[in-house]
Amino acid sequence: AQSVSQHNHHVILSEAASLELGCNYSYGGTVNLFWYVQYPGQHLQLLLKYFSGDPLVKGIKGFEAEFIKSKFSFNLRKPSVQWSDTAEYFCAVTPGSGNTPLVFGKGTRLSVIA
Amino acid sequence: NAGVTQTPKFQVLKTGQSMTLQCAQDMNHEYMSWYRQDPGMGLRLIHYSVGAGITDQGEVPNGYNVSRSTTEDFPLRLLSAAPSQTSVYFCASHHYGANVLTFGAGSRLTVL
Repeated sequence: AQSVSQHNHHVILSEAASLELGCNYSYGGTVNLFWYVQYPGQHLQLLLKYFSGDPLVKGIKGFEAEFIKSKFSFNLRKPSVQWSDTAEYFCAVTPGSGNTPLVFGKGTRLSVIA
Repeated sequence: NAGVTQTPKFQVLKTGQSMTLQCAQDMNHEYMSWYRQDPGMGLRLIHYSVGAGITDQGEVPNGYNVSRSTTEDFPLRLLSAAPSQTSVYFCASHHYGANVLTFGAGSRLTVL
């Protein structure tokens, strides 16, 4: 069965610090990869996705993620975080057929302090 | 365009009671799913459906029933609520093949 590992449970950063959240998955074939964000009290929203092509994917609000196939990784990055980035971030994966349910990681809570 | 609508937003049950969480989408999405979110556990798939009349189990299906009589609706039934089912439940949908989920706002359930 597929699984997704998010290495950090809780990350605390000061404003303007750089962010990198780790995500590794276990699946040997073609995959679709996602990062979702959940702001406090809200539902999940898509941050960015990778289906194919350029392994460096840019999403909303200045986030980007890099798919490294050899490392089974899809790490999320942002050069300079803001207080409004405080949220929980979920990595998710599904096989490339696109019709298998998403498997989510356990999430990483990001707290940005002024 | 309402997207994915879940009701109720909050519910408190006693152990042994039954209830149904409602989920409706107006985007004509073929694929619908139910997840539960628990602290430190992320989102875990309960049941999903690839179209009307077709449902399948996810990672944590025990204690839950679903049916999909129409494309729009995908209710989740708790047959006999247990404290372990205290959680936040999210319904999601997407077009077949697109795999970009649209989530509902969530239903917070407490079982005493």
